[in-house]
Amino acid sequence: GAVVSQHPSRVICKSGTSVKIECRSLDFQATTMFWYRQFPKQSLMLMATSNEGSKATYEQGVEKDKFLINHASLTLSTLTVTSAHPEDSSFYICSARDRLEREKLFFGSGTQLSVL
Amino acid sequence: LAKTTQPISMDSYEGQEVNITCSHNNIATNDYITWYQQFPSQGPRFIIQGYKTKVTNEVASLFIPADRKSSTLSLPRVSLSDTAVYYCLVGIETGANNLFFGTGTRLTVIP
Repeated sequence: GAVVSQHPSRVICKSGTSVKIECRSLDFQATTMFWYRQFPKQSLMLMATSNEGSKATYEQGVEKDKFLINHASLTLSTLTVTSAHPEDSSFYICSARDRLEREKLFFGSGTQLSVL
Repeated sequence: LAKTTQPISMDSYEGQEVNITCSHNNIATNDYITWYQQFPSQGPRFIIQGYKTKVTNEVASLFIPADRKSSTLSLPRVSLSDTAVYYCLVGIETGANNLFFGTGTRLTVIP
């Protein structure tokens, strides 16, 4: 099956610093990628939709200046958590939709962010 | 807002067949139904996808009635390693609203 690679898997940072998370589709082209966050024992919450070559669309309540999304190519999207604070600590998951098989969504392994 | 409804949790003994049902009353004509499995601290993993009737793969079966307003994921002879949260998504292609996850079903397999 298709593989989505997400890095890093875990990051610990100090409050006020920025953290970048990468999401790559390894064997398929993804015109659209999605970013989710998940708190313990809760479901995934969609944060934003990113389309290659255009600005991301953010869900209500998600600050676009805090969560910067770049989708520069058909295989790479990045999420940067700027000026991170402890309340940003969460599990972040990216997913990619296959350009050719649009009904299939593949997920990265997730990034556990802990802000001290 | 999630368009699907599932039981929040289920328990099962090892070796039993487990059926998890998802309601999706507002499914559109072109929507496919997709099920995912998620283990703690991992991203969801694709299990099975279908449009109508029955689909079977090496992991599970998916039963979809004629009206397509619900679907049932069937896991044959579960083992402890099947303990996970199971989510159904409907209409991945047709719009961002369909990418909202519901509560999922937390399956606990008991020895």
